[in-house]
Amino acid sequence: EPEVTQTPSHQVTQMGQEVILRCVPISNHLYFYWYRQILGQKVEFLVSFYNNEISEKSEIFDDQFSVERPDGSNFTLKIRSTKLEDSAMYFCASTGGEQYFGPGTRLTVT
Amino acid sequence: GNSVTQMEGPVTLSEEAFLTINCTYTATGYPSLFWYVQYPGEGLQLLLKATKADDKGSNKGFEATYRKETTSFHLEKGSVQVSDSAVYFCALRAGNQFYFGTGTSLTVIP
Repeated sequence: EPEVTQTPSHQVTQMGQEVILRCVPISNHLYFYWYRQILGQKVEFLVSFYNNEISEKSEIFDDQFSVERPDGSNFTLKIRSTKLEDSAMYFCASTGGEQYFGPGTRLTVT
Repeated sequence: GNSVTQMEGPVTLSEEAFLTINCTYTATGYPSLFWYVQYPGEGLQLLLKATKADDKGSNKGFEATYRKETTSFHLEKGSVQVSDSAVYFCALRAGNQFYFGTGTSLTVIP
């Protein structure tokens, strides 16, 4: 069965540092998403991406965040200057009818 | 706007007990409805879905019926197993955006 993969599984970084979270969506899917889940809280939509551009983004997705599809297979989420409150699980998803989630990257900002 | 409200957890049941996790939604238009399951340390997996009113989604003994009149999509299982212990998320899809509930943690004890 096709699956969405994410790397790394866990990233620890210091406040103010840049991080890049990587995702490989399912190959024939066209819509890609990033979500985050702060520990014990709901899954929150960050951004959706279609045809090499952002199609929707939430209020959470401010200027510190950016997404990119650098090479036609990877889909990345960059946080420019991390804050303590960015600590969360970040899930990538892709959609070709149904939405498939990756296993997540746990980001810990110290 | 679009939103999902689901039953607060945690829920603890004995093996073979009957499970209901309530989910209600608010949506403009005619959303598709989903239940996702998150096992410990893993990402979200699609459990079942329903795309129109009165549809029943079912998988692995779980069922949910799309009730437009009550704007609900309650998850049920007649006899839970220890392996069903997980967090369950109700979600709706409106266009290409997904909205998630807060999740309900289920623990099944032998």
